[in-house]
Amino acid sequence: IAGITQAPTSQILAAGRRMTLRCTQDMRHNAMYWYRQDLGLGLRLIHYSNTAGTTGKGEVPDGYSVSRANTDDFPLTLASAVPSQTSVYFCASSDGGSSGADTQYFGPGTRLTVL
Amino acid sequence: GQNIDQPTEMTATEGAIVQINCTYQTSGFNGLFWYQQHAGEAPTFLSYNVLDGLEEKGRFSSFLSRSKGYSYLLLKELQMKDSASYLCAVRDSNYQLIWGAGTKLIIKP
Repeated sequence: IAGITQAPTSQILAAGRRMTLRCTQDMRHNAMYWYRQDLGLGLRLIHYSNTAGTTGKGEVPDGYSVSRANTDDFPLTLASAVPSQTSVYFCASSDGGSSGADTQYFGPGTRLTVL
Repeated sequence: GQNIDQPTEMTATEGAIVQINCTYQTSGFNGLFWYQQHAGEAPTFLSYNVLDGLEEKGRFSSFLSRSKGYSYLLLKELQMKDSASYLCAVRDSNYQLIWGAGTKLIIKP
């Protein structure tokens, strides 16, 4: 069981280019999340999806878009990358239940550098 | 606004005990999480507290006081592999996790 996979592992991108970060989970979790992690800051939620077919905006959604066509996949797209989007991006998933811990499990991350 | 505070860095000795504190001010409370993150890796789940008191899990324990907006993670019998960052996160009224910046724990022999 792979859990959550992300691709690519790392990427250097020219400013203005379009980029899609991929995330796939095999745990049949309902909810999925995209975070960015920057030095000295906590993880910040970009977008989330509580179930296939629905998405929502997190704390820092500007410049990013997501889609959730099925349960397993949750790609994150940067339409026109800017240097401030240089960060480590983590995808996570959880059962999505409204009771209990509903623990989030994280993918290995994508290290993105925008020049 | 919402805020999670943790010390930036702590140092401890192998075999000792260390307590990492977390204070929070959030809009609502639906549980507090501790995660461990080794350098260059993903965060991994350690513990969850939703009621006041101590939750013990092997060498790790986590405590919560909702009235004080306070939690701590206690690590006993420290090992070199415990060198990592420890992240505190609170689930708010919107059921979203609000994350602290993390505490980098350095273990010395």
